[in-house]
Amino acid sequence: KNQVEQSPQSLIILEGKNCTLQCNYTVSPFSNLRWYKQDTGRGPVSLTIMTFSENTKSNGRYTATLDADTKQSSLHITASQLSDSASYICVVSDRGSTLGRLYFGRGTQLTVWP
Amino acid sequence: EADIYQTPRYLVIGTGKKITLECSQTMGHDKMYWYQQDPGMELHLIHYSYGVNSTEKGDLSSESTVSRIRTEHFPLTLESARPSHTSQYLCASSPTGLEGNTIYFGEGSWLTVV
Repeated sequence: KNQVEQSPQSLIILEGKNCTLQCNYTVSPFSNLRWYKQDTGRGPVSLTIMTFSENTKSNGRYTATLDADTKQSSLHITASQLSDSASYICVVSDRGSTLGRLYFGRGTQLTVWP
Repeated sequence: EADIYQTPRYLVIGTGKKITLECSQTMGHDKMYWYQQDPGMELHLIHYSYGVNSTEKGDLSSESTVSRIRTEHFPLTLESARPSHTSQYLCASSPTGLEGNTIYFGEGSWLTVV
């Protein structure tokens, strides 16, 4: 069964600190992996997208890594800010259909305290 | 910022009422989607469309219906709302050639049925 598991479920850190969010998946055949940020009550916004051949991608203070062999990805946030408080969702796409079906994790709820 | 818009953002309606959630995108994307998301849970695909006059049901069974008469417009309708329909509904779109492309989400419509 294709699944996407994220950890931790929730995380609280102090402003200025770094943190790393994890995503493990069983989706096969793999196409690409996306990280989204979803503020409370808003729609998800794309942070990064990685295909099979990419193992790291950065977007400002956000750096995503991908290990397609172990089917793991991480999102590292550097020098956290209060505005980073949000849910971070890992989304994996397969190659098994023309739709490129998407599998969503439940997200990691990050809270940044001053 | 993605050019995809949803209305209404928040709605409270009585049981048995008919409701249409509007979704429009100005990016010329052929593919559009409706997702349902309960608080703290993952997104579930309920409808998708490859283009005009093309609509398909998603993974999660839904009593809602959709139409795609114009490329930019993908409304979702509930003929008779029930409390079990209370949820957040997210509209999204993507250009043709899903692999490697980003999916753009609207801000979401929060529906409460009382």
